[in-house]
Amino acid sequence: DAGVTQSPTHLIKTRGQQVTLRCSPISGHKSVSWYQQVLGQGPQFIFQYYEKEERGRGNFPDRFSARQFPNYSSELNVNALLLGDSALYLCASSPGHAGGNTEAFFGQGTRLTVV
Amino acid sequence: LAKTTQPISMDSYEGQEVNITCSHNNIATNDYITWYQQFPSQGPRFIIQGYKTKVTNEVASLFIPADRKSSTLSLPRVSLSDTAVYYCLVVLYNNNDMRFGAGTRLTVKP
Repeated sequence: DAGVTQSPTHLIKTRGQQVTLRCSPISGHKSVSWYQQVLGQGPQFIFQYYEKEERGRGNFPDRFSARQFPNYSSELNVNALLLGDSALYLCASSPGHAGGNTEAFFGQGTRLTVV
Repeated sequence: LAKTTQPISMDSYEGQEVNITCSHNNIATNDYITWYQQFPSQGPRFIIQGYKTKVTNEVASLFIPADRKSSTLSLPRVSLSDTAVYYCLVVLYNNNDMRFGAGTRLTVKP
């Protein structure tokens, strides 16, 4: 069975540009969450989506947005990139927002470098 | 969401038992205690979750006292491959809005 897949694995962007990161959850999982992990720190929660609706948002500026598609895959968009957006972006999937095991399965992440 | 506090780092030797304690004084009634492991350049991996008393699986045990204000992750007979960062989280059951702290960096030495 395929795990959580994220694309691309690495990305280099210039300040001011926009970036889209993609995540495919484990088959059957309906909840997707996004995290940002800066080097040396723990992952910071950005968004949670369940059944295509936003169910949670962390303390990130409006430059960050996301959506979930009918097939439960998700995209994270970041506009007007800043140097401080350089980080590992992690996607986690789990069976559902309500009911079931809360164990979250993380992908390998997308390493974003802003120059 | 309850804040957690855990040691920044720990050292151990191969074959020893490692216990990492986490405090979560403001844990709420519906919160569960969850531990994740993370290797460099990889996403975190679920280790164990519990609500009270003791939980054991094939890789670890989780001890939670009656007041639930702390918990201890126990790793039996660690090996070099257990060198990683371990995160303690308090999670509202069925809610994946997980707030990670800085974690505990465990180094296992030969």
